[in-house]
Amino acid sequence: EVQLVESGGGLVQPGGSLRLSCAASGFTFTRYAMSWVRQLPGKGLEWVSVVGDSGAATFYADSVKGRFTISRDNSENTLFLQMNSLRPEDTAVYYCAAASMIVVPPDYWGQGTLVTVSS
Amino acid sequence: QSVLTQPPSASGTPGQRVTISCSGSSSNIGSNYVYWYQQLPGTAPKLLICKNNQRPSGVPDRFSGSKSGTSASLAISGLRSEDEADYSCAAWDDSLSGPVFGGGTKLTVL
Repeated sequence: EVQLVESGGGLVQPGGSLRLSCAASGFTFTRYAMSWVRQLPGKGLEWVSVVGDSGAATFYADSVKGRFTISRDNSENTLFLQMNSLRPEDTAVYYCAAASMIVVPPDYWGQGTLVTVSS
Repeated sequence: QSVLTQPPSASGTPGQRVTISCSGSSSNIGSNYVYWYQQLPGTAPKLLICKNNQRPSGVPDRFSGSKSGTSASLAISGLRSEDEADYSCAAWDDSLSGPVFGGGTKLTVL
């Protein structure tokens, strides 16, 4: 059974940092591109970032470019998102998601972790 | 403002067939696969349709997808109460180098 389990969310002040993690199991992690997708309260889904299967290729949404860094540890089947200079508009549920190729939307999704940016 | 455009709501009665539209552009739907997701309240998205019209294992054949040009549709036949959920479309966007999503359509089973 595919499992994606996010952790690291919480309450942070504007300008602060958080590091999200996603532990993957039940599929061959090294064959999948991995993404972070967020959902603002009561809103639709918004792509944040994607990393290719080897970790070499990364892409970011303009809204987070220069502030967020995506990475993966294929030896530990884990995906990360380092979030710096957080803003109130970054408040959302962040989902970890896996795609069979980097150029398609995800197949599998985690349960999400809530990030709240507020003073 | 979502890149892909969906109607905010749709409804039908049990047994009916409903369709949900998704409109995009040449850089996303027009040149890439469309995916559809179902999201029950308080839960993560679940893949319903991949690669325009393919159902993953376990998805009932009541759900079907189609694509024409820069638009796509999700059809649900034999509507059931448990189909009440939010439905979102998605596609890779060549200009943004990332997947784009629709704003979601809330389906109500009357």
